[in-house]
Amino acid sequence: QVQLVESGGRVVRPGGSLRLSCAASGFPFRNYGMHWVRQPPGKGLEWVAFTLYDGSYQYYGDSVKGRFTISRDNSKDTLYLQMNSLRVDDTAVYFCAKDTSGYGIDYWGQGTLVFVSS
Amino acid sequence: DIQMTQSPSSLSASVGDRVTITCRASQGVRSDLCWYQQKPGKAPKRLIFGASGLQGGVPSRFSGSGSGTQFTLTINNLQPEDFATYYCLQHNTKPLTFGGGTKVEMK
Repeated sequence: QVQLVESGGRVVRPGGSLRLSCAASGFPFRNYGMHWVRQPPGKGLEWVAFTLYDGSYQYYGDSVKGRFTISRDNSKDTLYLQMNSLRVDDTAVYFCAKDTSGYGIDYWGQGTLVFVSS
Repeated sequence: DIQMTQSPSSLSASVGDRVTITCRASQGVRSDLCWYQQKPGKAPKRLIFGASGLQGGVPSRFSGSGSGTQFTLTINNLQPEDFATYYCLQHNTKPLTFGGGTKVEMK
């Protein structure tokens, strides 16, 4: 079955950097686009970024554009999110999620918490 | 960006009730809309895709309807395990956008 396992979340100071990873299994990772979605504590879902199946195309939400970079290594079945210039309002659980090429997001990981605080 | 307005933001209901949640898009998204259920501390789970398609393994008491700008999620015969927060998601246009969520609480 599809499994997505995020890692890398921790406490970080404002202005700092962090790289999240998402290990995928149970499906042909190289055939699917992938997303990052975040959820601040007690709040709703916010879409963050998307990468096409081969990494040739990326798209970002306005709140992270220029600071975050989504990438993937299809040889390792792993998705990444490089987060720079972190702000307090980036504090959230970050989910990686699988795209279904026309039918939205189907599967989600369990999430990893990023806490930005001085 | 397409804004997704979801209502109500919360509701109280009893086991056996019928519940209706709506999402309105600020511009047409065809049928490129999904509904998700999320329980505390858990990842969202997809219930509906393509506005009205039932995800495999999801009980038939869940149904979705609509296209363009108006969408509805209906839960018939509400069960104890259905108390959760529900979100719509439009994936017609990037950036993808979620509704604000509807918390379904026990009356």
